[in-house]
Amino acid sequence: QKEVEQNSGPLSVPEGAIASLNCTYSDRGSQSFFWYRQYSGKSPELIMFIYSNGDKEDGRFTAQLNKASQYVSLLIRDSQPSDSATYLCAPLMDSNYQLIWGAGTKLIIKP
Amino acid sequence: NAGVTQTPKFQVLKTGQSMTLQCAQDMNHNSMYWYRQDPGMGLRLIYYSASEGTTDKGEVPNGYNVSRLNKREFSLRLESAAPSQTSVYFCATTQGINTEAFFGQGTRLTVV
Repeated sequence: QKEVEQNSGPLSVPEGAIASLNCTYSDRGSQSFFWYRQYSGKSPELIMFIYSNGDKEDGRFTAQLNKASQYVSLLIRDSQPSDSATYLCAPLMDSNYQLIWGAGTKLIIKP
Repeated sequence: NAGVTQTPKFQVLKTGQSMTLQCAQDMNHNSMYWYRQDPGMGLRLIYYSASEGTTDKGEVPNGYNVSRLNKREFSLRLESAAPSQTSVYFCATTQGINTEAFFGQGTRLTVV
């Protein structure tokens, strides 16, 4: 079992719709969770982080965390073509305080 | 401010050659990291330096060495390149453990 699982996609979403990206993780001790966006050929950049169970909203982005289910998600409302990218989920490992990265979900927003 | 700067951006090596990837940051961050990214896989940690003067192995350290030259610079050396080291390499920095990582622009390395 991979430590961080993400659907590789591509996930195709119409412009203006909600994109839902999911991530499951195996380390029950992980307390912090990061979502990064990576455009093709570019480096990752932070979108959001979440520490507590529940929802955290930042503009069009909402991160959702359920530690009991070891599940974290990212919702993108009013999706724009500029949101087309690969989204990387990265829990912070409790054992060594290092990020463990998922392989990412490729998101395509269709105009 | 440049943030995190990696050199070179592209490199082609022959099997057995050596090279050093350079990383410099002007963010005054304590921790620096070297990752590799391969298709279909997440970023994998090669080595990291929690603070100046310390380095530690990550998930995939074999075939690599690092030097934390000072607080600003963290280099990654391939002593004898192998085709399995063909990858995109990213340097990253963080201020602390639970903080945002800032990445360099990446080095695309091909070993033939």
